[in-house]
Amino acid sequence: DAGVTQSPTHLIKTRGQHVTLRCSPISGHKSVSWYQQVLGQGPQFIFQYYEKEERGRGNFPDRFSARQFPNYSSELNVNALLLGDSALYLCASSLVGRLSSTDTQYFGPGTRLTVL
Amino acid sequence: DAKTTQPPSMDCAEGRAANLPCNHSTISGNEYVYWYRQIHSQGPQYIIHGLKNNETNEMASLIITEDRKSSTLILPHATLRDTAVYYCIVRVLGQGAQKLVFGQGTRLTINP
Repeated sequence: DAGVTQSPTHLIKTRGQHVTLRCSPISGHKSVSWYQQVLGQGPQFIFQYYEKEERGRGNFPDRFSARQFPNYSSELNVNALLLGDSALYLCASSLVGRLSSTDTQYFGPGTRLTVL
Repeated sequence: DAKTTQPPSMDCAEGRAANLPCNHSTISGNEYVYWYRQIHSQGPQYIIHGLKNNETNEMASLIITEDRKSSTLILPHATLRDTAVYYCIVRVLGQGAQKLVFGQGTRLTINP
């Protein structure tokens, strides 16, 4: 079975541009979460989506937005890119996104975004 | 959010057991302890989780103290491929979201 997939793997943008990152969850998983990992730090929670609804949002500006599609895949959009947005963007999927002993988040390989 | 404290780095010899400690003294009764690891710039890999009983799977064992204020991840026979940053996480449900709050983790180096 395929795990979580993300595209593209690497991306280079310049300040002020816009970027769209994509994520496909594990088959059967309905919840997708996005994390940002700046070099040298642990991942930070950005969003969680379940059944196309935003379930939660971390401490990120409105330049960051996301959506989930009927097939449960997701896009993360970042507008007006800043140098500080350079990071590894991780997508994680889980069955239903609720606290339960069986609902574990599984991560994709990430998209490395470099803003110049 | 219940916070975790881990040593920043540890070393272990190949073939020996690696024991990674984690303190989570403010954990609530219904919060689970999760362990993930991240091998150089890859996505975090799920290892194991538990509530209050010890758990074992094909990758590792998780020992949680009776008061649940600390836990230990055990890799029984460490190999060079186990070199990674290991994150101990208390899983919280906040504002309707299920989110993982990562700390700095422990950088485990397996030496030949």
